Amino acid sequence: DQQVKQNSPSLSVQEGRISILNCDYTNSMFDYFLWYKKYPAEGPTFLISISSIKDKNEDGRFTVFLNKSAKHLSLHIVPSQPGDSAVYFCAASDAGTYKYIFGTGTRLKVLA
Amino acid sequence: GAVVSQHPSRVICKSGTSVKIECRSLDFQATTMFWYRQFPKQSLMLMATSNEGSKATYEQGVEKDKFLINHASLTLSTLTVTSAHPEDSSFYICSATGYVSGQPQHFGDGTRLSIL
Repeated sequence: DQQVKQNSPSLSVQEGRISILNCDYTNSMFDYFLWYKKYPAEGPTFLISISSIKDKNEDGRFTVFLNKSAKHLSLHIVPSQPGDSAVYFCAASDAGTYKYIFGTGTRLKVLA
Repeated sequence: GAVVSQHPSRVICKSGTSVKIECRSLDFQATTMFWYRQFPKQSLMLMATSNEGSKATYEQGVEKDKFLINHASLTLSTLTVTSAHPEDSSFYICSATGYVSGQPQHFGDGTRLSIL
């Protein structure tokens, strides 16, 4: 049972436009969410996080939105740049554990 | 800050060989380290969690005798794949955190293991 889902395996966006990556979860106990970026043959790099007490967190070009009632979070990248091309994973955990559950990833391709 | 070094980055070896992968936190003390495995086009699957000085906690379906984990110090954890077989070929990634929960994990660059 996949508790964290990224239903879009890939996404292509034109440079300068907005990239929106989506993530859905099923466990209502999750209260901390992260986005990681991964290049081929490298480990994931932490990008941005959000706790359940917030519905939005912004860091430069990256903004994460959390809709707890819908159990949905999204990552917005604006403006998108070719260097943003990578696989993006969302991950979730609850305060009672130290473990993160990862989604299957979305491959973002930003076209120049 | 928060650099995690994983070594080696790639291993190719014969079936039956045991392979050791090291994970080091370079600039912080990692009370907890995690080992993941990633199959092509799939998510990162948590294999086990290790806390410094104690036995690792394995996820369901992960063979403890096959994947030996040691976390002898606050900066080093090792994963040994014993008597590796072709089905063990995968991308193994470690991560580390200085806190018990609620904080980002910092990942190593992974080890590509290929068993012939």
